[in-house]
Amino acid sequence: EVQLVESGGGLVQPGGSLRLSCAASGFTFSSYWMSWVRQAPGKGLEWVANIKQDGSEKYYVDSVKGRFTISRDNAKNSLYLQMNSLRAEDTAVYYCARDNYDRGAFDIWGQGTMVTVSS
Amino acid sequence: QSALTQPPSASGSPGQSVTISCTGTSSDVGGYNYVSWYQQHPGKAPKLMIYEVSKRPSGVPDRFSGSKSGNTASLTVSGLQAEDEADYYCSSFRVFGTGTKVTVL
Repeated sequence: EVQLVESGGGLVQPGGSLRLSCAASGFTFSSYWMSWVRQAPGKGLEWVANIKQDGSEKYYVDSVKGRFTISRDNAKNSLYLQMNSLRAEDTAVYYCARDNYDRGAFDIWGQGTMVTVSS
Repeated sequence: QSALTQPPSASGSPGQSVTISCTGTSSDVGGYNYVSWYQQHPGKAPKLMIYEVSKRPSGVPDRFSGSKSGNTASLTVSGLQAEDEADYYCSSFRVFGTGTKVTVL
């Protein structure tokens, strides 16, 4: 079964750090771009970052540049998002998604992990 | 880049059709055939329903169809069913639409 499972969310104070993980199974992880997409409470979807198959290219939405770092370990079929200098506006459910460039779409999604930034 | 524009809500009775619009620019929706649509039920992850404007992934009912004219893409749900009640988002080049809540009356 094709599956993505996120972990690592939680409550963190403003200015703090958190590392999200996403475990992939059921497909050849190393063959796909991967993305993180977030959704603030009651709001719409926002693409956050993506990474090429070999990790050589990474792109970020402007609001997280310099604070978040996306990475992957193809040997472990895992995707990561290191989040530093967290702000209240980063509070959201964070989804890991397979970024299918051939289709121009996010074709597989994880169940999401909640990140709350609050004092 | 600004979010693509969708109507906040749409509705229809069971068996009827509902169409949702998604307006972008010539740099995204209008310039390329990379428009996708996602269905999201409350508390659940989004699910891909349409990609490349009008293609359906395996397992998506053919009641769901997509099209495009100029800078506006559309998702049509025919033969509405209770389980179609959800939020729907369009996307093009990693920019999402504002979202449309579909209500089945």
